[in-house]
Amino acid sequence: SAVISQKPSRDICQRGTSLTIQCQVDSQVTMMFWYRQQPGQSLTLIATANQGSEATYESGFVIDKFPISRPNLTFSTLTVSNMSPEDSSIYLCSVESPGYNEQFFGPGTRLTVL
Amino acid sequence: AQSVAQPEDQVNVAEGNPLTVKCTYSVSGNPYLFWYVQYPNRGLQFLLKYITGDNLVKGSYGFEAEFNKSQTSFHLKKPSALVSDSALYFCAVTGDNYGQNFVFGPGTRLSVLP
Repeated sequence: SAVISQKPSRDICQRGTSLTIQCQVDSQVTMMFWYRQQPGQSLTLIATANQGSEATYESGFVIDKFPISRPNLTFSTLTVSNMSPEDSSIYLCSVESPGYNEQFFGPGTRLTVL
Repeated sequence: AQSVAQPEDQVNVAEGNPLTVKCTYSVSGNPYLFWYVQYPNRGLQFLLKYITGDNLVKGSYGFEAEFNKSQTSFHLKKPSALVSDSALYFCAVTGDNYGQNFVFGPGTRLSVLP
């Protein structure tokens, strides 16, 4: 299994500002994923981040709003830009374990935008 | 495209009684199926998965799930519910091609009443 940590665990931000969420994995992984879980809803995939290439965004998500970095095989960041109250969500980082077809999740970052 | 349905938003069961949380899916190719649990203010925890082999899969905390290919279902079960099982449960599916995205169901809130 993979152990994943996220920083910050929670934050309260003002409208129009940006927040960068960090995700650290205790092992090297090829693919990292960023999900959003809006209040009372299921998980929605934002983007897939592979090391050494640009992230692949799902429909409804764009790089200008959610820029992602993947500088190495154990780390990634997701920035929520120009935030609005609609961005209030839990943001989760996850990794896929090759050969196990399993995803491991970080503890999530709870974001509240005022 | 993959899809997952959890037909019940809420399941209530008395402590000590058996519980079932339903999940049906649609996927191209062979399905890989998962159950995750989310306790309040915590991240997602893996419960169990079906990749291949026996249709009855046993997982963490006494949970099990049965894969039924003809009914495209993967219902989560536990013979005797505990109050501490109260949480949000997500079914997820991916296909047998490495790197396929996980798709999560909408979630079912389980309440076990003392």
